Amino acid sequence: AQSVAQPEDQVNVAEGNPLTVKCTYSVSGNPYLFWYVQYPNRGLQFLLKYITGDNLVKGSYGFEAEFNKSQTSFHLKKPSALVSDSALYFCAVVSGGYQKVTFGTGTKLQVIP
Amino acid sequence: GAGVSQSPRYKVAKRGQDVALRCDPISGHVSLFWYQQALGQGPEFLTYFQNEAQLDKSGLPSDRFFAERPEGSVSTLKIQRTQQEDSAVYLCASSLRQGRGNTEAFFGQGTRLTVV
Repeated sequence: AQSVAQPEDQVNVAEGNPLTVKCTYSVSGNPYLFWYVQYPNRGLQFLLKYITGDNLVKGSYGFEAEFNKSQTSFHLKKPSALVSDSALYFCAVVSGGYQKVTFGTGTKLQVIP
Repeated sequence: GAGVSQSPRYKVAKRGQDVALRCDPISGHVSLFWYQQALGQGPEFLTYFQNEAQLDKSGLPSDRFFAERPEGSVSTLKIQRTQQEDSAVYLCASSLRQGRGNTEAFFGQGTRLTVV
């Protein structure tokens, strides 16, 4: 079985400061890892993915994520937070060749002006 | 179309009523997924189509839930005899490729179902 854990329900960060949203995963085999963002009354939007290759993945809106196999983590990061980054962030995992995506419970990011 | 379109955006159903939720995926997308998102939770997988074939329906919570995609494009999720625990946002997503799950999915805005 595959699973994803997002240990923080909410993360608060001041505008301009770096942000980190944590994610750990559990799969058998090699994982495909994703981050999605959800704004109020909007569908989920794809931010970035890790399939293979470089452990540091760059995505939309200046976000990046670091894949760490030994720690089974895929934390989302951004060097300088914007107020407009405030939203709900979901980490997701797909294992192997299977299409079923398992999402975490989400982390609410609040960027304070 | 430009994105995944779902209708209706909001649906209020009386307990016991049947409902049908529609998803128009991005044109040409082979894979289509349905997810259920309860309040304060992450999306939970319901079912997956590759073209018209329903390859995985392991996430459907009961036999009251039924999904179809007869021509490999538009999909309908039907819930019979709705119960209050069915209240959730139902998300549809599509992706271009088939097979390996390494392709990002594009999500619709969802249908918020409230059963009263």
